[in-house]
Formats: sequence, structure tokens, C-alpha cells
Amino acid sequence: GNSVTQMEGPVTLSEEAFLTINCTYTATGYPSLFWYVQYPGEGLQLLLKATKADDKGSNKGFEATYRKETTSFHLEKGSVQVSDSAVYFCALSPSGGSYIPTFGRGTSLIVHP
Amino acid sequence: SQTIHQWPATLVQPVGSPLSLECTVEGTSNPNLYWYRQAAGRGLQLLFYSVGIGQISSEVPQNLSASRPQDRQFILSSKKLLLSDSGFYLCAWSGGPYNYGYTFGSGTRLTVV
Repeated sequence: GNSVTQMEGPVTLSEEAFLTINCTYTATGYPSLFWYVQYPGEGLQLLLKATKADDKGSNKGFEATYRKETTSFHLEKGSVQVSDSAVYFCALSPSGGSYIPTFGRGTSLIVHP
Repeated sequence: SQTIHQWPATLVQPVGSPLSLECTVEGTSNPNLYWYRQAAGRGLQLLFYSVGIGQISSEVPQNLSASRPQDRQFILSSKKLLLSDSGFYLCAWSGGPYNYGYTFGSGTRLTVV
């Protein structure tokens, strides 16, 4: 079956530091890949997505590139802010007609001033 | 534009009491609908999904049930709550094509006492 593996958290950084959250996946075919962000007490919000190999999704300074050769979709940001503190979920949406997405377990990011 | 509404935002219920959580989607037709549960500090657990009125698929056998009485309405229910039903419940929808991504409601924090 499909699976998504994210790095364990929490990730603790100082403001303006570089962020990488690793995500690798296992899936058949050509899934779409997503990053979601969840702020405390809220639902998940779509942060960015990529629908085919070598696509780069970007939003709010965050980027992730769909790497089919390494089955990865790592999230990066060049300079984090305190307001980026949240839980980040990597997810895939399978191809081939399945309606069920697969989410990683989430990575908590804490940014200190 | 499409919006998703989920209520109530918080709920405290005694063990053995019934439960009804409601989710409605606006601005789209024939959405795929999902109920997730998120235990404290943990990832997302898919509970139910629905691809049409009256069509419910259960992912995890448990004390909960779901119904879809109308195209854009998805209800999560229980006849008798257990302590282990406590958690953060999230409703989500997707537009069908697998690369649309998923839009989440703001969640319901359920505490069973």
C-alpha cells in the first residue's frame, strides 16, 4: 500500500534559520504530493502541491520539489519566522482512481525569536 | 468559492452519551467527503469517506458511524461515547480529480468525560 514517512519532530530553530523537513513516499503510479500546515487548534491548510515529477510547489516562502527518482518531497524555507511554528504534514493523493489520501504523521516546527 | 463548515468547535460529553457532528460543503457538487480523527500529538486517522449520497466506507471498525443524507452534508455519529473517542475531529472534502488536494474544516475538539 501507499505510505508517507516524515522526519520525527519537533524541529526547533531560531528565527531566520533555514528549514528542511524531509518527506519520502511509497506509491504505485504517479501520485500527487502535498504539504499541509496545521496551526494550534485549527484544521489543516494546503500549503503547496506538486502533481508530476520535477514540479516545484511554492507558497509563502516554502518550496518542495517532486523527486520521483528518490521518491521524496522535502519541504524547505530559506528563513523561518516565529509565525511559521506549526505542525507540517506531507501527503500523497494516489493516481488510478483511489479516493483515499495518505498522510505522514506530521512534524512539529518550533521557531524561537 | 468553495467553503466547508464544521460544528460545533468544541464539545464536552459524558461517557455513554450520543454524538452528532455535522459537516457541510458549499460551492461545489458531488464532493468526496472524509472524516478524520487526530489524537493529541499524533497524526491523522481516516475514519470514513464518502463518494456520494448514502455511500459510506469505513476505514476503522469502532464506536462511530457516518451518514451522508445530502450531497454536501456529512455527519459523524455515535450512540454511546467512550473515553477513547476523545480527540480532534476533522472533516475534509476533495473535488474528485486526485490532484485537487483536500480542504479541511476547522475541526471539533471532543472531550469525553
